[in-house]
Amino acid sequence: AQKITQTQPGMFVQEKEAVTLDCTYDTSDQSYGLFWYKQPSSGEMIFLIYQGSYDEQNATEGRYSLNFQKARKSANLVISASQLGDSAMYFCAMRVSRSNDYKLSFGAGTTVTVRA
Amino acid sequence: DAGVIQSPRHEVTEMGQEVTLRCKPISGHDYLFWYRQTMMRGLELLIYFNNNVPIDDSGMPEDRFSAKMPNASFSNLKIQPSEPRDSAVYFCASSKDRLREQFFGPGTRLTVL
Repeated sequence: AQKITQTQPGMFVQEKEAVTLDCTYDTSDQSYGLFWYKQPSSGEMIFLIYQGSYDEQNATEGRYSLNFQKARKSANLVISASQLGDSAMYFCAMRVSRSNDYKLSFGAGTTVTVRA
Repeated sequence: DAGVIQSPRHEVTEMGQEVTLRCKPISGHDYLFWYRQTMMRGLELLIYFNNNVPIDDSGMPEDRFSAKMPNASFSNLKIQPSEPRDSAVYFCASSKDRLREQFFGPGTRLTVL
């Protein structure tokens, strides 16, 4: 079974600073995908960024980047130049790439609060 | 493009009543997923479909829960009879590629009194 661990239940960050959200995963599969989602207080789940296990480059999407360290089985999300609108819960998720297994396994989430 | 559409956004019902949650996936997406989110258990996958066919319903908590996808543009999740412990936010998500990101709807907040 796959397991996603997010050890930081909550974090505070100053506006315009960068913040790193930790995510470690456990799988015996070689082929998998890692995802980060944002859930603001309004409740919707917003896809942020994706990293494939065979991708050689770390994924980036605007102010979001994923620090992928395969040997350490970590997939940390870095948010640069934090904005007040970044205040939300952030979930790390993983999907293995076996046939007939399209489930996303989610971590418990990290709450980020951006201070002005 | 419209995202995943769910209705209703909020549902309050009494124990024992039937509840129907609806979802319209993004056009062209072949995979549809139903999730439930609670404080205690986080996000749980209930069931998913590929090309309208249920693939894995092992996450459905019990026989009171059922889901169908009669066509590519609609799915529903039914709870009959509903119980207070079913209170949660229910998300529908769709995906074009089985390996890539799933796009979530806004969710339905269900309260069973």
